[in-house]
Amino acid sequence: QVQLVESGGGVVQPGRSLRLSCAASGFTFSSYGMHWVRQAPGKGLEWVAVISFDGTNNYHTDSVKGRFTISRDNSKNTLYLQMNSLKTEDTAVYYCAKEKRSSGWPHFQYWGQGTLVTVSS
Amino acid sequence: DIQMTQSPSSLSASVGDRVTITCRASHTITSSLNWYQQKPGKAPNLLIYAASSLQSGVPSRFSGSGSGTDFTLTISSLQPEDFATYYCQQSFSTGYTFGQGTRLEIK
Repeated sequence: QVQLVESGGGVVQPGRSLRLSCAASGFTFSSYGMHWVRQAPGKGLEWVAVISFDGTNNYHTDSVKGRFTISRDNSKNTLYLQMNSLKTEDTAVYYCAKEKRSSGWPHFQYWGQGTLVTVSS
Repeated sequence: DIQMTQSPSSLSASVGDRVTITCRASHTITSSLNWYQQKPGKAPNLLIYAASSLQSGVPSRFSGSGSGTDFTLTISSLQPEDFATYYCQQSFSTGYTFGQGTRLEIK
């Protein structure tokens, strides 16, 4: 069965860095685009970034451009989110999600359990 | 970015009720609209994709409709396990914006 397990969250001071990981199993990781989605405490869902199946294309939401970088290692079945210059407003649960496409449009078929990132001095 | 607006923001209903949640996109998104259910402390769960396709394993009391800018999620007969927050999401363009959510509560 498909499993996505995030790790790497924790408490970090503003301006510092953190790298999240998402270990995937139960499917052919190298065949699917992957996403990061976050949810601030008590708030709604916010899409963060996507990376193509082979890692050649990626996109980030405007609020994290230049600070966050999505990447993947298909040999390790692992997705990453490098987060630099963290701000207090980046505090959230971060989910990784596996996409599936229908008529070319993605939907998020499977999600991890999430990892909490708290940015605080 | 495409903005997604859900209504209502919250809703009280009883077991057995028929419930409809609407989602409006700021630009046409054809049928690239997904619906998710989220329970407290849990990851979202995909219900409907491409506006009206039921995800495998999701009960048939859930249905979706719409195209262009206006979409609906309908639950035909509410069950106790359906009380949760529901989100729409556009997948027409990167940004993949979510609606603000609709909290469905027990009356």
